[in-house]
Amino acid sequence: SQTIHQWPATLVQPVGSPLSLECTVEGTSNPNLYWYRQAAGRGLQLLFYSVGIGQISSEVPQNLSASRPQDRQFILSSKKLLLSDSGFYLCAWTPGLFYTFGSGTRLTVV
Amino acid sequence: SQQGEEDPQALSIQEGENATMNCSYKTSINNLQWYRQNSGRGLVHLILIRSNEREKHSGRLRVTLDTSKKSSSLLITASRAADTASYFCATDGYAGNMLTFGGGTRLMVKP
Repeated sequence: SQTIHQWPATLVQPVGSPLSLECTVEGTSNPNLYWYRQAAGRGLQLLFYSVGIGQISSEVPQNLSASRPQDRQFILSSKKLLLSDSGFYLCAWTPGLFYTFGSGTRLTVV
Repeated sequence: SQQGEEDPQALSIQEGENATMNCSYKTSINNLQWYRQNSGRGLVHLILIRSNEREKHSGRLRVTLDTSKKSSSLLITASRAADTASYFCATDGYAGNMLTFGGGTRLMVKP
């Protein structure tokens, strides 16, 4: 069966520090992968999506970047975090019509 | 910008009552989906309704779609305290095959 793993679950980072969030999918190949950010009590904002290894599309200009070094691995990064990067980050993949989400990472930048 | 907008933003009901949430969207769609999010967790897919369907049922869930009004509703019947969560609609027409999510309705079911 297909599963999606996202870690860490929570993260507290100082302003200006780097960031690396990882997402992996098991049980499938060549999935479409997505990174979303959710502000407190708000909807989801699409940050990046990828349809294959090395293929990254950015939806919003920001302090973040994404990479897909392997077929089932999607990484969200930042060289220097800003206070405004705080939020709940969700990774998702789609087998077709609907999305399956990871459990999310709560990032607090202090 | 968000394609779907849910209404109301927050809803509080007693256990056993029905909960109705509405979603409006702006552009043509292929399908509309509803997701549920428990506090601090990822979203879970609930139900999908295609643009050529008007109503769909799944257990205690009933979804309607009115493409002429670009709106959908999610009805949860005989609500339970465990239904307490945020509910999001998502559409696929705004950005190709990618889903665009609304702002969500926060549902609280009091025991």
